[in-house]
Amino acid sequence: DAKTTQPPSMDCAEGRAANLPCNHSTISGNEYVYWYRQIHSQGPQYIIHGLKNNETNEMASLIITEDRKSSTLILPHATLRDTAVYYCIVRVVNKGGNQFYFGTGTSLTVIP
Amino acid sequence: NAGVMQNPRHLVRRRGQEARLRCSPMKGHSHVYWYRQLPEEGLKFMVYLQKENIIDESGMPKERFSAEFPKEGPSILRIQQVVRGDSAAYFCASSRGVNTEAFFGQGTRLTVV
Repeated sequence: DAKTTQPPSMDCAEGRAANLPCNHSTISGNEYVYWYRQIHSQGPQYIIHGLKNNETNEMASLIITEDRKSSTLILPHATLRDTAVYYCIVRVVNKGGNQFYFGTGTSLTVIP
Repeated sequence: NAGVMQNPRHLVRRRGQEARLRCSPMKGHSHVYWYRQLPEEGLKFMVYLQKENIIDESGMPKERFSAEFPKEGPSILRIQQVVRGDSAAYFCASSRGVNTEAFFGQGTRLTVV
């Protein structure tokens, strides 16, 4: 049921920006884009979310294209602790429900 | 403000026994979600509850699995007559509202022997 497509894996040099792409070409007008990450076997960690506008917080920036069919998560200065699986999620809101459907994510490896 | 608390963190059950997994949402959160993660796989949605009501259980197996979120107390995911295939990590998340971020607990790792 995942409505997103992400590359299965990426590498990034420590200290560089990590840019993680996500395609969500079937996104509806009222559906938000969320990003989570899962480090090893821990519980998923919330990173950021947005609807139309670009968003920035202390962890990352989220760039959403004008047509909303794709987005990019940017970790400005990747560290070794950012090695994780990153999930791009389109939150489905219907019939009062609002589930997060996780796809397979992108396994990001930050290299020293 | 404590995060989402799940207990136990690890649970071992013999085939045929019952497993009860508890989830205390963050303070002020009335929406609870349960997910299952099999080894080397992604998270699969199971059920979404909002105080005393099951809103969406489309991801729940039809038999042996049930969930509740009573007015008082934690949300409970109950698995009856466990089988080896139930061995997985079960994660709970909570959110304040419909379009707000959800926060996950550290999970319960169920092992069926």
